[in-house]
Amino acid sequence: DSGVTQTPKHLITATGQRVTLRCSPRSGDLSVYWYQQSLDQGLQFLIQYYNGEERAKGNILERFSAQQFPDLHSELNLSSLELGDSALYFCASSVDLTETQYFGPGTRLLVL
Amino acid sequence: QKEVEQDPGPLSVPEGAIVSLNCTYSNSAFQYFMWYRQYSRKGPELLMYTYSSGNKEDGRFTAQVDKSSKYISLFIRDSQPSDSATYLCAMFWAAGNKLTFGGGTRVLVKP
Repeated sequence: DSGVTQTPKHLITATGQRVTLRCSPRSGDLSVYWYQQSLDQGLQFLIQYYNGEERAKGNILERFSAQQFPDLHSELNLSSLELGDSALYFCASSVDLTETQYFGPGTRLLVL
Repeated sequence: QKEVEQDPGPLSVPEGAIVSLNCTYSNSAFQYFMWYRQYSRKGPELLMYTYSSGNKEDGRFTAQVDKSSKYISLFIRDSQPSDSATYLCAMFWAAGNKLTFGGGTRVLVKP
């Protein structure tokens, strides 16, 4: 158990819908990262927050957004969902910007 | 060309054999090198972390970094069926501010 929690574990929804994925980092970690893992794309970095502020962006679509709250938990919002958004979404956390990242168990999203 | 290249496998070995995994990279700015293990699409688990050239050992695992050749390796000694998983290399540089993963190598250790 890495100490990073993610909810929900599974999510099934329809195209065009919007969902919110939640992540709680390890105690003491200030940095939160979001990743998408699909069968054909591997693990892709989406976005990073550090102590409430966005610090880095990867291959995140405009339909996706995220935020980190004062209690350091983070939410990833996915809107106008498409079939191709079906994937595993992982959250990771680290103490600061250069420390190693610890991953949560992931949220499996299925868009029908 | 991808920044980090990793053979997808699968790599099948008998129990007790040495598993040898490697990644090559193109960005000479990478400073930190990690290996993660991922079971059945669960969250990746950090195995090894190093920031210098040379070898680092932890139990049955040895990580090797050759910055001059832009090449890193992970060796698993006395492999067990429980080592069957996908192994991902990952690299980080402070100015780039993101972790870049290889595509992962699927390993199967047969009893």
